[in-house]
Amino acid sequence: SQELEQSPQSLIVQEGKNLTINCTSSKTLYGLYWYKQKYGEGLIFLMMLQKGGEEKSHEKITAKLDEKKQQSSLHITASQPSHAGIYLCGADISGNQFYFGTGTSLTVIP
Amino acid sequence: EAGVAQSPRYKIIEKRQSVAFWCNPISGHATLYWYQQILGQGPKLLIQFQNNGVVDDSQLPKDRFSAERLKGVDSTLKIQPAKLEDSAVYLCASSLAAASSYEQYFGPGTRLTVT
Repeated sequence: SQELEQSPQSLIVQEGKNLTINCTSSKTLYGLYWYKQKYGEGLIFLMMLQKGGEEKSHEKITAKLDEKKQQSSLHITASQPSHAGIYLCGADISGNQFYFGTGTSLTVIP
Repeated sequence: EAGVAQSPRYKIIEKRQSVAFWCNPISGHATLYWYQQILGQGPKLLIQFQNNGVVDDSQLPKDRFSAERLKGVDSTLKIQPAKLEDSAVYLCASSLAAASSYEQYFGPGTRLTVT
């Protein structure tokens, strides 16, 4: 079974459009991380959320962790080709072990 | 500050052969992780070290995979013998400590192809 479910699996958007990626767990999340990965490369840290209801922004990317700490969303405003890549959520599930989601592949069409 | 270093970047071997990967974490980082990322999937934790001790190796296929971090700094991951399904990117990451509040920094990965 997959500890962290991401949706959608892939996304193709026109440049300038907004988009949202979701990350869901059936258990409480302790430390939810969002990473971006270019094909064949390592992961680049985007944001970390720990408190229920927490929201963080960096440039045009905003991430939220819901009050129950079982779901997080990543929202990109006015997408650009540079946003293309694979977005991965990672989390410490129930204070036990770190898991990654399956990833969301984002393509931005100029 | 230098990032996490991994070598080699690419490796092609035949099944039943052996292979080893090397990782040098960020200086001062006590925790080191090895992940396996199969194409189209998220990374899966293989083993986690705290200094030179193993914290979690529950998902490491111990019949063929082994890892060590003898001096609490560099680490090597070995596969012996390799199978076709071991083809993946092997990512090394490090963090200041093991707690979930510490960000993991990732290396560029080693892409292994087993033929």
